[in-house]
Amino acid sequence: DAGVIQSPRHEVTEMGQEVTLRCKPISGHNSLFWYRQTMMRGLELLIYFNNNVPIDDSGMPEDRFSAKMPNASFSTLKIQPSEPRDSAVYFCASSLTPGGAQPQHFGDGTRLSIL
Amino acid sequence: TQLLEQSPQFLSIQEGENLTVYCNSSSVFSSLQWYRQEPGEGPVLLVTVVTGGEVKKLKRLTFQFGDARKDSSLHITAAQPGDTGLYLCAGDDSGGGADGLTFGKGTHLIIQP
Repeated sequence: DAGVIQSPRHEVTEMGQEVTLRCKPISGHNSLFWYRQTMMRGLELLIYFNNNVPIDDSGMPEDRFSAKMPNASFSTLKIQPSEPRDSAVYFCASSLTPGGAQPQHFGDGTRLSIL
Repeated sequence: TQLLEQSPQFLSIQEGENLTVYCNSSSVFSSLQWYRQEPGEGPVLLVTVVTGGEVKKLKRLTFQFGDARKDSSLHITAAQPGDTGLYLCAGDDSGGGADGLTFGKGTHLIIQP
């Protein structure tokens, strides 16, 4: 079975540029999560969707960040304009439901470097 | 948002030794999960504990959920180099509702051959 697929795996760009990260969840999973991981702050939840609807975006750092889920098999996280402090590894995860007893299946992440 | 403190942050031991890492909070969780993350990959679920006092074993790994469901521990017996990785605990304080998980910062574990 295919797991969560993220692209690109690595992204290096200059500050001010728009960055789009992509995620394909596991088929049949109704919940999708976007996380950011840094050494200083660990793994932080940015936003999550249930049945393609954003449920909680309180973790989104600021208006430069936006996320969409146009259908059950695709989501994007966009940063515009990007800044050096956005450099991190961004993970997408999916689960059957948002409940904590359900395991979350993570992709391998996108390592983002903003110069 | 509930805070999960993991300790130690870093641990480096020799192959064959035993170790315990901890995950603590002042808040009660409906359930708690442990994940292991290897370099260049996403976290992978190891176990979910739900009941206070619950103990689960996964080969040489023993997971315990505190009686009050505020803390958890992971004990590894006879550690092997393949156990090396970042161990993350994640708590669900939603009562089964719509909130996501809260992750600790993790314990970086290195097992030296």
